[in-house]
Amino acid sequence: AQSVTQLDSQVPVFEEAPVELRCNYSSSVSVYLFWYVQYPNQGLQLLLKYLSGSTLVKGINGFEAEFNKSQTSFHLRKPSVHISDTAEYFCAVAPSSGTYKYIFGTGTRLKVLA
Amino acid sequence: ETGVTQTPRHLVMGMTNKKSLKCEQHLGHNAMYWYKQSAKKPLELMFVYSLEERVENNSVPSRFSPECPNSSHLFLHLHTLQPEDSALYLCASSLTTEPAYEQYFGPGTRLTVT
Repeated sequence: AQSVTQLDSQVPVFEEAPVELRCNYSSSVSVYLFWYVQYPNQGLQLLLKYLSGSTLVKGINGFEAEFNKSQTSFHLRKPSVHISDTAEYFCAVAPSSGTYKYIFGTGTRLKVLA
Repeated sequence: ETGVTQTPRHLVMGMTNKKSLKCEQHLGHNAMYWYKQSAKKPLELMFVYSLEERVENNSVPSRFSPECPNSSHLFLHLHTLQPEDSALYLCASSLTTEPAYEQYFGPGTRLTVT
């Protein structure tokens, strides 16, 4: 079985500052990793995903994430945030073979302050 | 219309009512999903359909009844719900159920059970 932990439920950060949203996972099998974003009153939208290959993954809106197998982490980063990045961010994991079952974390609310 | 649409966006129903949620995807995908999103909890996968066949019923109570008449439409029929069923219900679709394919989410239906 897999599990995902997003330790920070809320992260306030000033505009143009860097941000890191943390995600740790647990799994006994190989996994795919995802970050989704949910803006107010909208569904989830994929930011980026790691399937294989380079451990540094670049996504939309200037976000990137690094897969660290030894630390079982997939932290999301952005060097300079904007007010429009205010949203809820979800980390998700899925086994790389067989099942469609995404396991989502509880989410991190990013609040960008002016 | 593009992407994944859901109607209605908001629904208030009594415990004895019967109502239905509708989801439509315009992406040519073969897999569709229902999720329940409650505050402070991870997204809960409820049902999965692949090529109009149900492939997952994640221990969901029988008061929730899904229907997939074709690969573009998905319904969730509701009857005799409980107040704890109040949540945001999200529909998603993907090309297939292979986890490497990202899921595209609709904006959700905010359900309140009184």
